[in-house]
Amino acid sequence: SQKIEQNSEALNIQEGKTATLTCNYTNYSPAYLQWYRQDPGRGPVFLLLIRENEKEKRKERLKVTFDTTLKQSLFHITASQPADSATYLCALDMYGNQGGKLIFGQGTELSVKP
Amino acid sequence: GAVVSQHPSRVICKSGTSVKIECRSLDFQATTMFWYRQFPKQSLMLMATSNEGSKATYEQGVEKDKFLINHASLTLSTLTVTSAHPEDSSFYICSAISGGLTYEQYFGPGTRLTVT
Repeated sequence: SQKIEQNSEALNIQEGKTATLTCNYTNYSPAYLQWYRQDPGRGPVFLLLIRENEKEKRKERLKVTFDTTLKQSLFHITASQPADSATYLCALDMYGNQGGKLIFGQGTELSVKP
Repeated sequence: GAVVSQHPSRVICKSGTSVKIECRSLDFQATTMFWYRQFPKQSLMLMATSNEGSKATYEQGVEKDKFLINHASLTLSTLTVTSAHPEDSSFYICSAISGGLTYEQYFGPGTRLTVT
């Protein structure tokens, strides 16, 4: 079955630096991969989706890359701000893209210090 | 973006009672809704998929008689935890998609269930 691993350790960075989060998967290559932000006690908020035939996607200060050879996605936040502090989750479609079903990683907690 | 609400946001109930959680899509019609459970410091685990007008499909290991799901309209799905026990205490989150080619899921704010 598909397993997803994200940076298990919390990531602490200084304001203004670039945060890089990793998402690795072990089995089939998904049709698409998504990144979400989750604040404590709240539901996830969709950030970006990247498809299997795309190498890179950008949205404002966010950038996602997708390497199907390495089975890895990297999520970058440039010019990070304390307001970016949250848990970031990557999610893959279940094998065969079963109508939107997702498998989530355990998340990486990001803390941006002023 | 699309808005999904959940009610209640927090609920405390006694062991053996049943609790109903509502999930509504406020500004779009949700062809499919999903129910997840999240334990502290853990990932979201998909429990079931709910399509309007049809029976929900449950993931392996999820008891369908314990977690009753009803998707009566294109904007409302409900999850009822029957005969709740302390081990059912968790954060329950719903999400919705509007169909078509969009794969974005819109999540509700979650419901914290505590069973005493």
